[in-house]
Amino acid sequence: QKEVEQDPGPLSVPEGAIVSLNCTYSNSAFQYFMWYRQYSRKGPELLMYTYSSGNKEDGRFTAQVDKSSKYISLFIRDSQPSDSATYLCAGMDSSYKLIFGSGTRLLVRP
Amino acid sequence: DTEVTQTPKHLVMGMTNKKSLKCEQHMGHRAMYWYKQKAKKPPELMFVYSYEKLSINESVPSRFSPECPNSSLLNLHLHALQPEDSALYLCASSQDWGTDTQYFGPGTRLTVL
Repeated sequence: QKEVEQDPGPLSVPEGAIVSLNCTYSNSAFQYFMWYRQYSRKGPELLMYTYSSGNKEDGRFTAQVDKSSKYISLFIRDSQPSDSATYLCAGMDSSYKLIFGSGTRLLVRP
Repeated sequence: DTEVTQTPKHLVMGMTNKKSLKCEQHMGHRAMYWYKQKAKKPPELMFVYSYEKLSINESVPSRFSPECPNSSLLNLHLHALQPEDSALYLCASSQDWGTDTQYFGPGTRLTVL
């Protein structure tokens, strides 16, 4: 079992839709959680990070962590074609290493 | 400014060549990282430098040799690579190791012939 599980997609939505991206993790030692966006052939870009259960909002993005169920989510409101990318979730383990999910490919149709 | 720069953007090398990848950040970060990313896979950690000292080597083959000349620079020296080493090599940095978020550079796309 991978430490971080993520549906690879692709997830295809119409422009303006609310997008929900999800990950589950198995390592109870994870303290920090991040979401990265990666465009094709580019490096990952940090979108959100959080270290506690609950919600964190930044513009159109909301990150949600539920440590009791080991579930993390990223919501994108009013999705745009420019949001089309691969979204990687990650947790930081007790040795300070980032453990990534395999990424979900998102396609926002105009 | 949260920019990490990497050169070159693309590199093609033969199995007998010696080449180097370079990474630079001017954010005052004290931790720097090398990752390897194969197509449609997540980044995999290779090395961690903290305060210019190698802190983690994820059992990477010796044909990859990291170097941290100063707090802003990180190099990855390549020698006698194999075709399966072809990948996107990503550099990242963070304020400190383990207590902050990592910012990634654009990567160097390496092809080994």
